[in-house]
Amino acid sequence: NAGVTQTPKFQVLKTGQSMTLQCAQDMNHEYMSWYRQDPGMGLRLIHYSVGAGITDQGEVPNGYNVSRSTTEDFPLRLLSAAPSQTSVYFCATRAGFGGNQPQHFGDGTRLSIL
Amino acid sequence: GESVGLHLPTLSVQEGDNSIINCAYSNSASDYFIWYKQESGKGPQFIIDIRSNMDKRQGQRVTVLLNKTVKHLSLQIAATQPGDSAVYFCAEPRTDSWGKLQFGAGTQVVVTP
Repeated sequence: NAGVTQTPKFQVLKTGQSMTLQCAQDMNHEYMSWYRQDPGMGLRLIHYSVGAGITDQGEVPNGYNVSRSTTEDFPLRLLSAAPSQTSVYFCATRAGFGGNQPQHFGDGTRLSIL
Repeated sequence: GESVGLHLPTLSVQEGDNSIINCAYSNSASDYFIWYKQESGKGPQFIIDIRSNMDKRQGQRVTVLLNKTVKHLSLQIAATQPGDSAVYFCAEPRTDSWGKLQFGAGTQVVVTP
């Protein structure tokens, strides 16, 4: 049972490059989300999805794009990487729409932008 | 505004002792709280949750206490082990967005032999 799988685990980019961070889950969870974690800032929500075909912005969406074509996958795209996007990115899922359930996290992608 | 925060940034505990990690929240309407453990290089791992209709909930070696009067919750770890060394977060779902988790800053627990 893999749970939430994120790839790659590490990535170094140059400013201006684009890339896609992958997130896949095998729990059939409807809700998926992307957070970034920075020292002193905690975990901040970038984008989320309540089901296939439905996405919405979180609190720090600028510079990122998402799509949800299947229940299992929720990729995060950096359109033109900037040093401010150096961070650790976590994907999280939850079983249903109701907020009173825990979210389950992947082990993250550590991204450095030079 | 709504916030979830932690009192102590670092907690040093001797192996075998009990650990207590505290968390304060500001929204009196909050009705669900989650504790996560994050080890170095890994994602947050769900430990235990509690709903506002409960004062206490126990898991394996962990107990969460909720005091709604003073808007405070705590995580107690019994017989702390080296594997308990990690950062612990309390979190609550925000009521103004779909399931966004509001995290506290985290407490680093260091277990000493």
